Amino acid sequence: AQSVTQPDIHITVSEGASLELRCNYSYGATPYLFWYVQSPGQGLQLLLKYFSGDTLVQGIKGFEAEFKRSQSSFNLRKPSVHWSDAAEYFCAVGAPGYSTLTFGKGTMLLVSP
Amino acid sequence: GAGVSQSPSNKVTEKGKDVELRCDPISGHTALYWYRQRLGQGLEFLIYFQGNSAPDKSGLPSDRFSAERTGESVSTLTIQRTQQEDSAVYLCASSLKRGHETQYFGPGTRLLVL
Repeated sequence: AQSVTQPDIHITVSEGASLELRCNYSYGATPYLFWYVQSPGQGLQLLLKYFSGDTLVQGIKGFEAEFKRSQSSFNLRKPSVHWSDAAEYFCAVGAPGYSTLTFGKGTMLLVSP
Repeated sequence: GAGVSQSPSNKVTEKGKDVELRCDPISGHTALYWYRQRLGQGLEFLIYFQGNSAPDKSGLPSDRFSAERTGESVSTLTIQRTQQEDSAVYLCASSLKRGHETQYFGPGTRLLVL
């Protein structure tokens, strides 16, 4: 069975600074990988996904993520954080051919002025 | 069209009572998913529907939990004899078809069992 680890429960970043949120997965083959964002009181919104091909994936809102097979990682990055990016971010992994996703416990991003 | 909608948005109930949570998926989406999100936790998969059949019920935590879906439309998650540990946000998602097409999430139902 697959699993996802998001090592950072909370991260605080200054507005305008760069951001990297870590995600490590456990799966025997190449998984499907996702990053979702959840704003307070809202459902989850998909930021980006990786199925195959180019390991650097571009998403919405200026986010990108890089799949590194050797490190079993799929870290989310943004070059310059805006106050509106404050939210909880979830990494998820799926097994090709199956429909369910396994989510990490999330990383809460706080943006300081 | 509209996104995934869920009702009620909030539900407070007493221990031992039954509750029904409703999910209206995006029109035309054949796949529907239920997840549970406990405070400070990630999303926990409960059940998945393809059309009105549920090929994967592996995440339902006990026989107090059940779900049904009418055609490729509304789904209802029922929790019988609620317990305090059932308190959570219940999220519904739908996708165009089976597999890893993008899952679109509703805003969730916040359930509090007193």
